[in-house]
Amino acid sequence: ETGVTQSPTHLIKTRGQQVTLRCSSQSGHNTVSWYQQALGQGPQFIFQYYREEENGRGNFPPRFSGLQFPNYSSELNVNALELDDSALYLCASSPGLAGGRGQYFGPGTRLTVT
Amino acid sequence: AQSVAQPEDQVNVAEGNPLTVKCTYSVSGNPYLFWYVQYPNRGLQFLLKYITGDNLVKGSYGFEAEFNKSQTSFHLKKPSALVSDSALYFCAVRDVGVAYSGAGSYQLTFGKGTKLSVIP
Repeated sequence: ETGVTQSPTHLIKTRGQQVTLRCSSQSGHNTVSWYQQALGQGPQFIFQYYREEENGRGNFPPRFSGLQFPNYSSELNVNALELDDSALYLCASSPGLAGGRGQYFGPGTRLTVT
Repeated sequence: AQSVAQPEDQVNVAEGNPLTVKCTYSVSGNPYLFWYVQYPNRGLQFLLKYITGDNLVKGSYGFEAEFNKSQTSFHLKKPSALVSDSALYFCAVRDVGVAYSGAGSYQLTFGKGTKLSVIP
């Protein structure tokens, strides 16, 4: 098991609502990346935070936003939820930007939008 | 942009037999390649990586991967499969995206995954 934790484990929301997912990075890791994994698919990169600043974004609309705090924990916020947002949301931390040592994933938050 | 392809949705192998899960990649420059495993209702667990050096990379749980530059492949292998190896396996490549910091945004681009079933 990695030292990356995520909360909550499961979440059910209604279309149009807003949701906040949380991630605590592994000790010593200052970079957090968020991924969306739809059913039957590989994870897709949403965005990355480095030292409290967004440092890159994948092909996701602005209603997906995030924060990183001084202790390097992070939040993913999704506004105006759509049915297609139903997925497993994974947080990954890494010791710096270069990624050469890989990213360490948390267990994920399963979001269901009805 | 970098990409990886996993040509098999599912691989079945008998317990005790060798297993191979295939991955091919498309990158510009030197590839940084990874294998992750995902058990049901769990996050991704890191297995191994290739950055440079020996073409045969050894990882966790007895897995290894063979990097082949001429064939642009990075196949995952294990000499003797266990039932407990049954899981979803993802190949990934480090991709460089648009970065606001100027330092580069290094995210992982994943394949679609291969479901490995080890039959007792």
